[in-house]
Amino acid sequence: AQSVAQPEDQVNVAEGNPLTVKCTYSVSGNPYLFWYVQYPNRGLQFLLKYITGDNLVKGSYGFEAEFNKSQTSFHLKKPSALVSDSALYFCAVRDLVTGGGNKLTFGTGTQLKVEL
Amino acid sequence: DAGVIQSPRHEVTEMGQEVTLRCKPISGHDYLFWYRQTMMRGLELLIYFNNNVPIDDSGMPEDRFSAKMPNASFSTLKIQPSEPRDSAVYFCASSLGPLAGGINEQFFGPGTRLTVL
Repeated sequence: AQSVAQPEDQVNVAEGNPLTVKCTYSVSGNPYLFWYVQYPNRGLQFLLKYITGDNLVKGSYGFEAEFNKSQTSFHLKKPSALVSDSALYFCAVRDLVTGGGNKLTFGTGTQLKVEL
Repeated sequence: DAGVIQSPRHEVTEMGQEVTLRCKPISGHDYLFWYRQTMMRGLELLIYFNNNVPIDDSGMPEDRFSAKMPNASFSTLKIQPSEPRDSAVYFCASSLGPLAGGINEQFFGPGTRLTVL
């Protein structure tokens, strides 16, 4: 079965510093990976996805993610964190289920806290 | 497009009552998903539809939960009777399927916060 793991429940970073939110995956076949963000009292918002091609994927709000096949990782990054980036971040992988379309399996989420 | 629309945004009810949550997906999307989010269990997929047909309901907790999609622009999730442990935020999401080309992301609604007293 497809799965993703987010090893950190919370990440703290100072504003202006680079941030990394970690995600590792386990799939059979080609991995299709996603990052979502959830702000308080809001639904999940799509940030970016990796399907194929360049290992560095650029997304919304200045976020990017690096796909690493040998390490089976898809870490989310941003060069300079903002206080407004504080939110809950989810990594997800597309499930390979016949008729499943774009069914996703989500990680447990990582709470990012950016402090002044 | 207005995005995925859910109603109500908040629902407070008493144990034993019937609760109906509503969702309008993005026009043209052929997949619709219902999720539940709690602190204890995180984000759980309850059921999803393709072209209005339920494909996988293995995440539905028990027979008290039912979901329908009578047409491409409307879906309901019903809990009858409701219990305090059903208290959670319920999200609806929609997406284009593979036939539309590519691997498409899901778009989430704002959620319905359900409190069962």
